[in-house]
Amino acid sequence: SQQGEEDPQALSIQEGENATMNCSYKTSINNLQWYRQNSGRGLVHLILIRSNEREKHSGRLRVTLDTSKKSSSLLITASRAADTASYFCATDLYGNNRLAFGKGNQVVVIP
Amino acid sequence: GAGVSQSPSNKVTEKGKDVELRCDPISGHTALYWYRQSLGQGLEFLIYFQGNSAPDKSGLPSDRFSAERTGGSVSTLTIQRTQQEDSAVYLCASSLGRSSNQPQHFGDGTRLSIL
Repeated sequence: SQQGEEDPQALSIQEGENATMNCSYKTSINNLQWYRQNSGRGLVHLILIRSNEREKHSGRLRVTLDTSKKSSSLLITASRAADTASYFCATDLYGNNRLAFGKGNQVVVIP
Repeated sequence: GAGVSQSPSNKVTEKGKDVELRCDPISGHTALYWYRQSLGQGLEFLIYFQGNSAPDKSGLPSDRFSAERTGGSVSTLTIQRTQQEDSAVYLCASSLGRSSNQPQHFGDGTRLSIL
């Protein structure tokens, strides 16, 4: 899992498998966002889940949010080699879109 | 342009020199953010601008760091008297507004190396 002080995680899977990664946070949030970063590139916004939502889907992505446990998970179904990247969760701590990022989960999808 | 543009993409300089990093946000985006990404440190917020409001500078690590945003568009991040610990990737992002429901759009960053 990731957020602040936690160590980044690495995951290596075969193409076609599902990839699940987790994120935890410590304060109340307005929303939680997931971003992807390919090597040497900037971050790309994937999905945003609001604090009053429990699950959200976007294509092959599924995000869950458990505010009682202050945790979120990102599931990538039927992974592809192009999904190889680092995935970051981010929370808005101050309600002004100043994001606090976790240290990321590195995912390698083997063709 | 279609996305956030940052320049230079790479910068190598000697310790003690000043550097300027440039960010050109997406047209119409009123909010602009600077982050620093270091190995083992994740992404660290530095500063953000929203319209004509005073910038939130609370993430700047020292007084050697400063940033400005001219005309509500292009922003420059300046690091004076660079130190080796300043080596990192500096990422700029912009969003339509400061609402926390607005996704941030990132540039590809400037990789800064201090010798």
